[in-house]
Amino acid sequence: DQQVKQNSPSLSVQEGRISILNCDYTNSMFDYFLWYKKYPAEGPTFLISISSIKDKNEDGRFTVFLNKSAKHLSLHIVPSQPGDSAVYFCAASARETSGSRLTFGEGTQLTVNP
Amino acid sequence: NAGVTQTPKFRVLKTGQSMTLLCAQDMNHEYMYWYRQDPGMGLRLIHYSVGEGTTAKGEVPDGYNVSRLKKQNFLLGLESAAPSQTSVYFCASSYKREGTYEQYFGPGTRLTVT
Repeated sequence: DQQVKQNSPSLSVQEGRISILNCDYTNSMFDYFLWYKKYPAEGPTFLISISSIKDKNEDGRFTVFLNKSAKHLSLHIVPSQPGDSAVYFCAASARETSGSRLTFGEGTQLTVNP
Repeated sequence: NAGVTQTPKFRVLKTGQSMTLLCAQDMNHEYMYWYRQDPGMGLRLIHYSVGEGTTAKGEVPDGYNVSRLKKQNFLLGLESAAPSQTSVYFCASSYKREGTYEQYFGPGTRLTVT
């Protein structure tokens, strides 16, 4: 039972354009969502997060949108840069979860072409 | 600060051999985690620990054991390796703090079981 799903294994965009990465979840207990970025041969690094009490969080070129009724979140990168090429993982957690465990999606490979 | 470190970086095992992966963090984090990453499956939690001397099962614990004898270290053991355990293993740690879910990851260990 995949509780967090990223349905697009890959996404290719041109430098300077917008990248939109999507994530869906099924567990209504999830109340905190994170995006991680991963380069080859490195560990994932935290990018941006959002609490369920908000519907938008912005940090520089990165914005995360949360639609609770649709159980959907998205990460927008504007403008996209070649250095943004990486695998992006969506993750979710519930406040009552022991150890603040995260449930991850499958990941989306973003390629930004110069 | 080194953050989260993992030893070794690479390892090749024969079926039936045993090994221990070491994770160390210098951020005084209470929580520690072991994940495996397989193509198309994202990061799956193997075991986790909410404090020194405590461990708990995650999503895919079979075939693995863990120990947390010191707060800064979290060991992952494979008693009898199988080809299905070929994967990239990531350790992570996080604070025990209300509303905090961000996990910090190590660089990973690439394990091949032949």
